[in-house]
Amino acid sequence: KAGVTQTPRYLIKTRGQQVTLSCSPISGHRSVSWYQQTPGQGLQFLFEYFSETQRNKGNFPGRFSGRQFSNSRSEMNVSTLELGDSALYLCASSLSSINTGELFFGEGSRLTVL
Amino acid sequence: QQPVQSPQAVILREGEDAVINCSSSKALYSVHWYRQKHGEAPIFLMILLKGGEQKGHDKISASFNEKKQQSSLYLTASQLSYSGTYFCGTGLTGGSQGNLIFGKGTKLSVKP
Repeated sequence: KAGVTQTPRYLIKTRGQQVTLSCSPISGHRSVSWYQQTPGQGLQFLFEYFSETQRNKGNFPGRFSGRQFSNSRSEMNVSTLELGDSALYLCASSLSSINTGELFFGEGSRLTVL
Repeated sequence: QQPVQSPQAVILREGEDAVINCSSSKALYSVHWYRQKHGEAPIFLMILLKGGEQKGHDKISASFNEKKQQSSLYLTASQLSYSGTYFCGTGLTGGSQGNLIFGKGTKLSVKP
């Protein structure tokens, strides 16, 4: 059974640019959630999508957005990049609600903003 | 609203025990525990739902004290493979409209 796949694994951008990250969930999983991980801050919840609808949203500015496609694949976009956006972005898929079920994480996309 | 984990870091010798605590200021519905090894994805350990149930898996177990909104993760007779960062995540509701908020993590190092 294939796991959660995130692409690209590494990328470097400059301030002001935008970036799109992709996440392919485990087959059959309809929930996809995104997290930002930085040293010392743990995993910060960005948003969750379920059946193409954003179901929950964390406390991040509007520069962070996402979407989910009919095949459950999800993308997140960060516009007008800032230095502080440098982080590991993790995607997780699950069968049920994120606060009652097991999350299966991908290995992440490491974004560096220069 | 972010749960507070303690300690922030702990160093053990193989065979020693450890306890990692997770506290919230909010009434909790669920507590989740994950372990992340360096450079790898977080891996699910267990979920504890409202009801104070204690769970266990091999030599790792956890409890959930509803009254205190606290959870503790117990690692018994630690092995080298237990090294990593442990995160607790807290859910405030059981429905679909709820976030999962993670603590900042506890770094556990097990030495031979």
